[in-house]
Amino acid sequence: AQTVTQSQPEMSVQEAETVTLSCTYDTSESDYYLFWYKQPPSRQMILVIRQEAYKQQNATENRFSVNFQKAAKSFSLKISDSQLGDAAMYFCAYRSLSGTYKYIFGTGTRLKVLA
Amino acid sequence: ETGVTQSPTHLIKTRGQQVTLRCSSQSGHNTVSWYQQALGQGPQFIFQYYREEENGRGNFPPRFSGLQFPNYSSELNVNALELDDSALYLCASTQGGRTEETQYFGPGTRLLVL
Repeated sequence: AQTVTQSQPEMSVQEAETVTLSCTYDTSESDYYLFWYKQPPSRQMILVIRQEAYKQQNATENRFSVNFQKAAKSFSLKISDSQLGDAAMYFCAYRSLSGTYKYIFGTGTRLKVLA
Repeated sequence: ETGVTQSPTHLIKTRGQQVTLRCSSQSGHNTVSWYQQALGQGPQFIFQYYREEENGRGNFPPRFSGLQFPNYSSELNVNALELDDSALYLCASTQGGRTEETQYFGPGTRLLVL
């Protein structure tokens, strides 16, 4: 069975600085998707970034980028130029390409942005 | 906005009661999944429906059941509520097929069981 681990329950970053959130996962599959979702106090899970495991190039979306290390089963999220609106819970998620569309989530990292 | 809506936003029930939560997916999204998110935890997969049939289930007892309708709406029913059922319930939809791998989440229904 696949597992996702986020070892940082809480992180803080100064506004305009850069922060990296960690995620590791365990799987025996070779092809899968990885995601970072943001959950603000409004509770709605918002997709931040997605990475296909077969792609060696790290995904980027504006200020958000990932460091995907397939052999190490590591998938960290880097947020550059942090803004107050980035404060939220961040969840790392894994999705197999076989079976159902279920996501396996980590326990989340609460990001605080300091003005 | 993801185009996925859920109702109600909050709900209070007592132990032993039954509850129905509703989700309206984006048009064309024929797959819907339901998740339970306990306080301080990540979402846990309950089950998934594809074209009105259940096609995957997590480690949840049979008192958790669902329905999916042709108009892209769905329901999560929970019978014989227990205190541990208190959580945020999220639905997520996807268009289905390997080309669309992203699930779009609704804002959730927060259920409190007393």
